[in-house]
Amino acid sequence: DQQVKQNSPSLSVQEGRISILNCDYTNSMFDYFLWYKKYPAEGPTFLISISSIKDKNEDGRFTVFLNKSAKHLSLHIVPSQPGDSAVYFCAASHTGNQFYFGTGTSLTVIP
Amino acid sequence: DAGITQSPRHKVTETGTPVTLRCHQTENHRYMYWYRQDPGHGLRLIHYSYGVKDTDKGEVSDGYSVSRSKTEDFLLTLESATSSQTSVYFCAISEWTSTSHEQFFGPGTRLTVL
Repeated sequence: DQQVKQNSPSLSVQEGRISILNCDYTNSMFDYFLWYKKYPAEGPTFLISISSIKDKNEDGRFTVFLNKSAKHLSLHIVPSQPGDSAVYFCAASHTGNQFYFGTGTSLTVIP
Repeated sequence: DAGITQSPRHKVTETGTPVTLRCHQTENHRYMYWYRQDPGHGLRLIHYSYGVKDTDKGEVSDGYSVSRSKTEDFLLTLESATSSQTSVYFCAISEWTSTSHEQFFGPGTRLTVL
C-alpha cells in the first residue's frame, strides 16, 4: 500500500498565480516531511521540509503546510514562474532512515 | 550541489545477465540509498546503508543486492536482470542532524533490460 499519496498527477497554473500541490499520508508515525522537485533526466532536488512539531515552514516563494490531524501536507508556490515547471514529489519519514515517496505531481506554469 | 556521481549513466543489457551500478559520494555522509523510479510509482526504496557494511532492505528489494565496503561507495547489483527491472535508478545520500534530514540525489542511471 502506498503510504504517501499524491492524487493529482498534473497541475497547470498561470504564471504569477499560486500553485498548490497536495500530499496525503496514512502512517501517523511519520514525523518529517519533504518536498522535492525533479526536472527530466535529472535527479530530484530538495526543496523544503517540515517537522511534525510545526505546521508551517516558509522559504522564499515556497511554503509547506502540515495538517497532522488530516494527515495532509501541501506545498504553495507564490508567485509561480515558468521555471517551476517540473515534477514535484512529497516524501515522509518516521525512523530517520527510510523515506516514503508519493507518485509525483507534474506542474506546468503557463507564461 | 552534493557530490554524488552514478555510473554508468545509461546501460542496455540482456535478460539473465548480471549488472552492477555504482554510486560514489564525496560528502562523507553516513546514509546511502538506492531507489528506482517508474511511471505511476514514484520513487521506491530498494536498499539503503547506514554505514560501512551495514545495509537493510527497502520496499522493493527482491532481485537486488547491495554492498558498501567504503563510506564513499554503494553498489547495487542485479544478479540476473529481468525486463521488470528496466527503470531509472537513483542513488541518494543523507546525514542526519538535529535540524535536517534531507536526502541528496545523484543524476540517475537509466537501465534497459531486453
